[in-house]
Amino acid sequence: GDSVTQMEGPVTLSEEAFLTINCTYTATGYPSLFWYVQYPGEGLQLLLKATKADDKGSNKGFEATYRKETTSFHLEKGSVQVSDSAVYFCALSGTSYGKLTFGQGTILTVHP
Amino acid sequence: DSGVTQTPKHLITATGQRVTLRCSPRSGDLSVYWYQQSLDQGLQFLIHYYNGEERAKGNILERFSAQQFPDLHSELNLSSLELGDSALYFCASSVEGTGGYGYTFGSGTRLTVV
Repeated sequence: GDSVTQMEGPVTLSEEAFLTINCTYTATGYPSLFWYVQYPGEGLQLLLKATKADDKGSNKGFEATYRKETTSFHLEKGSVQVSDSAVYFCALSGTSYGKLTFGQGTILTVHP
Repeated sequence: DSGVTQTPKHLITATGQRVTLRCSPRSGDLSVYWYQQSLDQGLQFLIHYYNGEERAKGNILERFSAQQFPDLHSELNLSSLELGDSALYFCASSVEGTGGYGYTFGSGTRLTVV
């Protein structure tokens, strides 16, 4: 079945550092890929998405490129801020109609 | 505010009891999805309704049931509660049913079973 694997956290960075959170997936066909962010005490918010191979999703300075050859969708940001501290989830919409399969989440903490 | 409304925000109840969680989807969205979030299991898909019909079932226990009403709001019923049912329960909605464009999540109901 479908699965998503994210890099282990937590990730701790200083403000203005470069961020990469790795995400790889297993799915048949051509899934859509997503990054969601969860701030403390809140629900998940869609951060960015890509629906086909080589698409780049971007939002709020975050980017991720759908790489079918490496089955990856790594999240990057050039300069993180304290306000980016949150839990980040990689997800895919694959073979099961309507269902999103989520990774285990990566906790990001950014210090001033 | 995402537009998806979940009530109540917090619920504390005893083992063996039954509770109902309510979700109002974003205006215009026909699909409702329920997820359970716990520390050990992560985000687990429970069930999906589209325009009143059940479309997919995930890891939903037999003690749990759900429905979507004609006005498109949905309820998740949890019965014979156990300590292990303590978790965050999220509802999400989307205008279509494939999930291919992502969902909008509510802020969740935190259930504590004591």
